[in-house]
Amino acid sequence: DGGITQSPKYLFRKEGQNVTLSCEQNLNHDAMYWYRQDPGQGLRLIYYSQIVNDFQKGDIAEGYSVSREKKESFPLTVTSAQKNPTAFYLCASSTGQGGFVAEAFFGQGTRLTVV
Amino acid sequence: SQQGEEDPQALSIQEGENATMNCSYKTSINNLQWYRQNSGRGLVHLILIRSNEREKHSGRLRVTLDTSKKSSSLLITASRAADTASYFCATAPRSNYQLIWGAGTKLIIKP
Repeated sequence: DGGITQSPKYLFRKEGQNVTLSCEQNLNHDAMYWYRQDPGQGLRLIYYSQIVNDFQKGDIAEGYSVSREKKESFPLTVTSAQKNPTAFYLCASSTGQGGFVAEAFFGQGTRLTVV
Repeated sequence: SQQGEEDPQALSIQEGENATMNCSYKTSINNLQWYRQNSGRGLVHLILIRSNEREKHSGRLRVTLDTSKKSSSLLITASRAADTASYFCATAPRSNYQLIWGAGTKLIIKP
């Protein structure tokens, strides 16, 4: 089955630790995205990638890092520099034609909690 | 940056009634999309309407787009308890691979 998979579903981080959230897709999509969602809020863009080995900062990139070494994979690292990382993280992928975004497919999310 | 604004922020109706949600945006777009999010889950794509379209239907969903007013509406007819969720609009700007999101409308369907 084609889709987008995030892991783990729940993640606990101690103060000062870096943690990495996994996102894998087998939809052959070029574009991939990471969003952060806080309770009762909309989605805020952290990073996005339109092609392998290239990515751009979104609106709230500080304290996060990404890589795009393979088309299928777009892991997100939450570094110790991110002072308030407790949130719900969503990964998405989409096709893009002519410079615009078609429908986005989302993973089920990772809920990150600082302990 | 968020350019979409959904209205209302929350909506509570009786099962069987129609639900209407609105979305406004600020810049020129290629398309506008609506998504549903059940609590604690990922988002699910509902419908995409292109900038040259005015209305689109999918089952019990009807979406309209008015590019002169930079606004869209999502109508859910004959609502069901399973429609309880948050609904988000997202716009796809021209020549940009980002989707710009609104803050969402929380819809509660009372049995």
